[in-house]
Amino acid sequence: AQKITQTQPGMFVQEKEAVTLDCTYDTSDPSYGLFWYKQPSSGEMIFLIYQGSYDQQNATEGRYSLNFQKARKSANLVISASQLGDSAMYFCASSGGGGNKLTFGTGTQLKVEL
Amino acid sequence: DAGVIQSPRHEVTEMGQEVTLRCKPISGHDYLFWYRQTMMRGLELLIYFNNNVPIDDSGMPEDRFSAKMPNASFSTLKIQPSEPRDSAVYFCASSLGAVGSTQYFGPGTRLLVL
Repeated sequence: AQKITQTQPGMFVQEKEAVTLDCTYDTSDPSYGLFWYKQPSSGEMIFLIYQGSYDQQNATEGRYSLNFQKARKSANLVISASQLGDSAMYFCASSGGGGNKLTFGTGTQLKVEL
Repeated sequence: DAGVIQSPRHEVTEMGQEVTLRCKPISGHDYLFWYRQTMMRGLELLIYFNNNVPIDDSGMPEDRFSAKMPNASFSTLKIQPSEPRDSAVYFCASSLGAVGSTQYFGPGTRLLVL
């Protein structure tokens, strides 16, 4: 079984600043994937970034980067140069176990302020 | 390209009625997932299919829930009879391939059972 822990229910950040959203995971699978999704107030789930357990380098996608620390079982999302449109709920998720089903954390509500 | 399509977007029904949610995955994707999102339980996987075959339905809450995938471009999730505690947002997602493949979510169906 997989478990995702997001300990920050809410975060505030000033526009143009960087912010880190925490995620720790627990899995016994040797091969797994880690994902971040964004859910704005409109409700859709938007894929942001993916990190494979065997990837040597941290994943980056534009202003998003994933700080992957395998020994600590952490997969934190870093958003650089925050924008007002980044205000949303952010979910960390993992896949593994031979299938592709995602296990989600409880999410972090990010608010970007002027 | 069209993303995952779900219908209806909103459904209001009365307790005891049958509810059918529909999903059209992204063309060419071989995995299809049904998730449910509630405030109390967060995002949870209900069932997923690979090549139209149900692989894991351990998340289906009870016999009132059933899901089918008659072909590669269509799936349904049925609740019969519906109960107020079934009120939630139901997401369909699809992906190409197994572990590590990105799941793309539909816009969701917001279900309210009175």
